[in-house]
Amino acid sequence: AQKITQTQPGMFVQEKEAVTLDCTYDTSDQSYGLFWYKQPSSGEMIFLIYQGSYDEQNATEGRYSLNFQKARKSANLVISASQLGDSAMYFCAMRELGSNYKLTFGKGTLLTVNP
Amino acid sequence: DGGITQSPKYLFRKEGQNVTLSCEQNLNHDAMYWYRQDPGQGLRLIYYSQIVNDFQKGDIAEGYSVSREKKESFPLTVTSAQKNPTAFYLCASSILLAGGNEQFFGPGTRLTVL
Repeated sequence: AQKITQTQPGMFVQEKEAVTLDCTYDTSDQSYGLFWYKQPSSGEMIFLIYQGSYDEQNATEGRYSLNFQKARKSANLVISASQLGDSAMYFCAMRELGSNYKLTFGKGTLLTVNP
Repeated sequence: DGGITQSPKYLFRKEGQNVTLSCEQNLNHDAMYWYRQDPGQGLRLIYYSQIVNDFQKGDIAEGYSVSREKKESFPLTVTSAQKNPTAFYLCASSILLAGGNEQFFGPGTRLTVL
């Protein structure tokens, strides 16, 4: 079974609008962390935001927020006020307790921001 | 500037040749990782190392080898045993503490085997 599922291969959004990128995860651990990374066409991976399984508040970093629904095992990324520079691949990843700090990645969502 | 460097950015090799990809970090991180990315796919872990002179296999280690003789360096060798070596290779590092310590990534090496 996939540990990280990103069901949207591609998404389109108009500039200045908000967009939600979906991520569901599968783990039996009580302690885990969820990460979102951005990969522009140049290839480097850029860390965006982190949510710990015990964090009660949803994580926020500037225009990025993470909609964490623990019971549903979902960790959706919300980007507010989209900009043209937000066009990129977005990856959700999980680190489980006892995983030796390894990250498991989803297959990604390609976001295109239209002017 | 602190960061991770990978060289070269593009690499071409003939089938059957071994090739070594470089990864260096000056972030003083204990852990280092190698990932492979195929077109339209997520990252898959090849090898990782938490301390010098120690490393573990990831999910797709077959056909690859690594060494960790220095804290700053974690080179990856793609051997002739790797059946489909053409891919984008990313190196990463992190500190070894619990919590949200993200992995920092290098710019990647795109390997093409002809």
